[in-house]
Amino acid sequence: SALTQPASVSGSPGQSITISCTGTSSDVGGYDLVSWYQQIPGKAPKLMIYDVVNRPSGISNRFSGSKSGNTASLTISGLQAEDDADYYCSSYTITNTHVIFGGGTKLTVL
Amino acid sequence: EVQLVESGGGLVQPGGSLRLSCAASGFSITGYWMSWVRQAPGKGLEWVANIKSDGSERYYVDSVKGRFTISRDNGKNSVYLQMNSLRVEDTAMFHCAKHMASGFDYWGQGTLVTVSS
Repeated sequence: SALTQPASVSGSPGQSITISCTGTSSDVGGYDLVSWYQQIPGKAPKLMIYDVVNRPSGISNRFSGSKSGNTASLTISGLQAEDDADYYCSSYTITNTHVIFGGGTKLTVL
Repeated sequence: EVQLVESGGGLVQPGGSLRLSCAASGFSITGYWMSWVRQAPGKGLEWVANIKSDGSERYYVDSVKGRFTISRDNGKNSVYLQMNSLRVEDTAMFHCAKHMASGFDYWGQGTLVTVSS
């Protein structure tokens, strides 16, 4: 089944928010193979974090990733209006599925 | 510029078939795992299938096993998804994506598959 994310989070410009992504020892907890995506409605997803903590070239250092046990987290600091989007986590899983996504979190910048 | 362009989507009746194509440009798919990821209207992302760089390994989400087949032609720099026995619940935008470490660093804009009678 899908990784568990909160349906929505919100914050004001300049604030920090954290989105959690909870799985099991078969996926998030067992491997450092978690990634995060930003999706603007109608657009393709954009990779923001890979291997739990790494940012691809060109991604702002306002975005950071971490993991503790079976839960990974995406933190966005210094919120900006352009961060208003849907965010998805993904993990490798030892199960037959191989790759699993979270249900997605709608971030609203107030 | 790296680009992934999907094609082959459309309207099909339940039980029908479609073959999706993903043409890559700006890089060689040789050496990279490639995936198909779908998104039903108003819903979240769902990984569908992936294929190793040399085609020797393929994996599928349980709901499409036995119905979908992923393949690639490195010489044509393309990836494919053959979809048979389509169901209403397969209706979605299908994206092709390139693997990078644990993530997908390039995505196509997608091709829409609608399964309806």
